[in-house]
This record gives sequence, C-alpha cells and structure tokens, in this order.
Amino acid sequence: AQTVTQSQPEMSVQEAETVTLSCTYDTSESNYYLFWYKQPPSRQMILVIRQEAYKQQNATENRFSVNFQKAAKSFSLKISDSQLGDTAMYFCAFMAYQTGANNLFFGTGTRLTVIP
Amino acid sequence: KAGVTQTPRYLIKTRGQQVTLSCSPISGHRSVSWYQQTPGQGLQFLFEYFSETQRNKGNFPGRFSGRQFSNSRSEMNVSTLELGDSALYLCASSSRSYEQYFGPGTRLTVT
Repeated sequence: AQTVTQSQPEMSVQEAETVTLSCTYDTSESNYYLFWYKQPPSRQMILVIRQEAYKQQNATENRFSVNFQKAAKSFSLKISDSQLGDTAMYFCAFMAYQTGANNLFFGTGTRLTVIP
Repeated sequence: KAGVTQTPRYLIKTRGQQVTLSCSPISGHRSVSWYQQTPGQGLQFLFEYFSETQRNKGNFPGRFSGRQFSNSRSEMNVSTLELGDSALYLCASSSRSYEQYFGPGTRLTVT
C-alpha cells in the first residue's frame, strides 16, 4: 500500500518570497510518478508539477520546482516569487507506474497563504 | 480544448435516496477516475474507467457504482445515501501521460 504524508497543515509566506512545502511517501514500488496539485478556494484541482521516479533531474515549471530525493522518499515543492494567486491547498500525490492502475494517492494537504 | 466538466455542480439529497453524477472528460481522453473529498477522510479514490470498463476500484461499499459510455463520458451512482456520503466528488480524465486533469467537482449534501 502507498502512503503520502504532508506534515505541514498550514504555512504562510510573504508575497515575492520563497516557500517550500514538504512531502514524504512510502511505497514498495520501484516505478512511479509524483505530483503536486493545487486546490484554490474555487475547489478546482490544478496540476502544478509532475516527477517521474526514474528521472534524476528535478522537475521545474516556471516558479515551481521540486526536490526529489528517491532514497529518502521525499518530494518537496518550492514556490519562488510567491504571488497572491498561489494561496490554496496544496496536495502531494503518488501514482504507481502500472498499466491499469491509474489512481492517485493523496496526502492530507498543506494550506498555503500568501500575505501581501 | 475544453476542460473536464461535471454536472450538477451542487446537489442536495435526503438519506435513503440515490444520486447520479456526470462527468465529461477532455476530448480524446479515454480514462476517467472518480474521487471523494471530505474534511475527515481527505481525497480518496473511488474507481477508474477506461474504454467503458472499470479498470480499478477503491475501497468503497457497493452502494457506489459507475459506468462509462462509448463517448468516454462517465457517471457515478450512489444508492441508499447516508449522511457520511456528503462530500465533494471530483472527476479526472487522462490520456496516456498519467497526468490527471480534474473537473470542478459536484458538491453533494445529504440531509
């Protein structure tokens, strides 16, 4: 079974500053994907960034980047130059790389508030 | 491309009733997954459909069921509603890339 742990229920950051959200996971799978999703007050779940476990290079999407430590089973999200629109719940998620197993396991989320 | 759409957006039902929720995936996406989001249990996987077949199922009672049509649109049904079924039900579609794109959700309230 897969578990995803987000140990920071709430965080805040000043506008234009950098913040890092933590995520750890536990799995016996060797091939998998990791994701960060953002859920703003509108409740629409938005894919922020994806990391394939077989890739050593950390994924980057504009102001969002990850620090993927496979041995430590750690997958943190760094948001640079924080903007007010980044205020949202952030969920870390895991998906095993198996044909016919297209389901996500989510962490409990981190509520991020960007302060003007 | 249009995003994932879900109808209705809000629904109020009474205990014991049944409900059907609908999800239209992104054009070309053949996989549709359903998730339940509650404050207590968080986000939990219900089931996934691919080419009209249930490919994967989460740990939910048989009252929760679904189906997928030839145009990839999917419905989920909950029978004999309980108060604990009150939740945000999210639908997500994906192509082969394993990236799931979510709809806006259906907020179900059971009274």
